[in-house]
Amino acid sequence: EVQLVESGGGLVQPGRSLRLSCAASGFTFDDYAMHWVRQAPGKGLEWVSGISWNSGSIGYADSVKGRFTISRDNAKNSLYLQMNSLRAEDTALYYCAKDMRATVTNVGEYWGQGTLVTVSS
Amino acid sequence: EIVLTQSPATLSLSPGERATLSCRASQSVSSYLAWYQQKPGQAPRLLIYDASNRATGIPARFSGSGSGTDFTLTISSLEPEDFAVYYCQQRSNLASVAFGGGTKVEIK
Repeated sequence: EVQLVESGGGLVQPGRSLRLSCAASGFTFDDYAMHWVRQAPGKGLEWVSGISWNSGSIGYADSVKGRFTISRDNAKNSLYLQMNSLRAEDTALYYCAKDMRATVTNVGEYWGQGTLVTVSS
Repeated sequence: EIVLTQSPATLSLSPGERATLSCRASQSVSSYLAWYQQKPGQAPRLLIYDASNRATGIPARFSGSGSGTDFTLTISSLEPEDFAVYYCQQRSNLASVAFGGGTKVEIK
């Protein structure tokens, strides 16, 4: 059974940093691209970042470019999102999602349950 | 950057009716077009990938079609559990993705 478990969310002040983690199991992690997708309260889905199986191809939404960094550790079956210079508009539920292929194609064959990030003073 | 526009924003239908949801891209896109269903308090669920392929376990009443800039999700006969929000998603280049704004299918 595929499982994606996010952690690391919480309440943080504007301008501070947070690191999200996603622990994957039930599939061969290094065969697939992975993504972070967020959803602000009452809003739609927003793709944040994606990374190919070997970290050779990485992309970011314009809204987070230069502030967020995605990475993965295939030996630990884990995906990460380092979030710096956080803003109020980054407040959202952050989902980890497994792609269908090794490179970025269809984002979410499987999804975690999300970790909530709240940016507020 | 590609923008995906979904229409209508809200679709009010009765169980048993046919639902037709549209996703239009601002420029011609690849065939990596997916559709997701999301219910309140739940993570999204993949319905259709590569524009027309049903994901594992998805009922046959869900179908996807289209190419270029215009894509459609059709639910042939709405079941009570199908009332939800639907999103389209497209990969615009090697590592860039966009979601549409969503269509809410509500009970009339």
